Amino acid sequence: LAKTTQPISMDSYEGQEVNITCSHNNIATNDYITWYQQFPSQGPRFIIQGYKTKVTNEVASLFIPADRKSSTLSLPRVSLSDTAVYYCLVGVYNQGGKLIFGQGTELSVKP
Amino acid sequence: DAGVTQSPTHLIKTRGQQVTLRCSPKSGHDTVSWYQQALGQGPQFIFQYYEEEERQRGNFPDRFSGHQFPNYSSELNVNALLLGDSALYLCASSRETSRDFGPGTRLTVL
Repeated sequence: LAKTTQPISMDSYEGQEVNITCSHNNIATNDYITWYQQFPSQGPRFIIQGYKTKVTNEVASLFIPADRKSSTLSLPRVSLSDTAVYYCLVGVYNQGGKLIFGQGTELSVKP
Repeated sequence: DAGVTQSPTHLIKTRGQQVTLRCSPKSGHDTVSWYQQALGQGPQFIFQYYEEEERQRGNFPDRFSGHQFPNYSSELNVNALLLGDSALYLCASSRETSRDFGPGTRLTVL
């Protein structure tokens, strides 16, 4: 499974757009890119998943360049409640198989 | 519709003891996976149960065992507890492309 590299932590202020980039140089042809959000003492929550180009839902956007060796999670106009750890996962996860989590990015949103 | 539920919420044990954690999957889900999350780390896959059998296993010793019941609920058992077993234990249930995590059980080993 492809290894991912993300920043350990990021700081932001309320109302700003936050972009978290994940590197996955060894991504395989069948791999999808999935992002999870986790609040303290809670289970991870699915945010968004994509294969290439751009995916957008009500929570975030995911940008994937043509070579798919990286991806960027974009959170528009963050609020204090977006303070959490964000995980980038790469793999074939559509069959309920095991998820491989890295260390994640701890996002701190300040007033 | 209740999501994934886990019990207990918190648990304190001493070294050498045994512990059992429980998970009830989301309605409609038939597969249960367990993860261990140490403080400051991402969740690590322990094992997965489907049709009452262990289907996949991560890099965890035999002290970690599990069970799935006919109603799809599951238990995680850990024997001979070590201090390093202190962690948040997460249960995830799934069916096809749907997957949800529970809130976890915080285990502290003293």
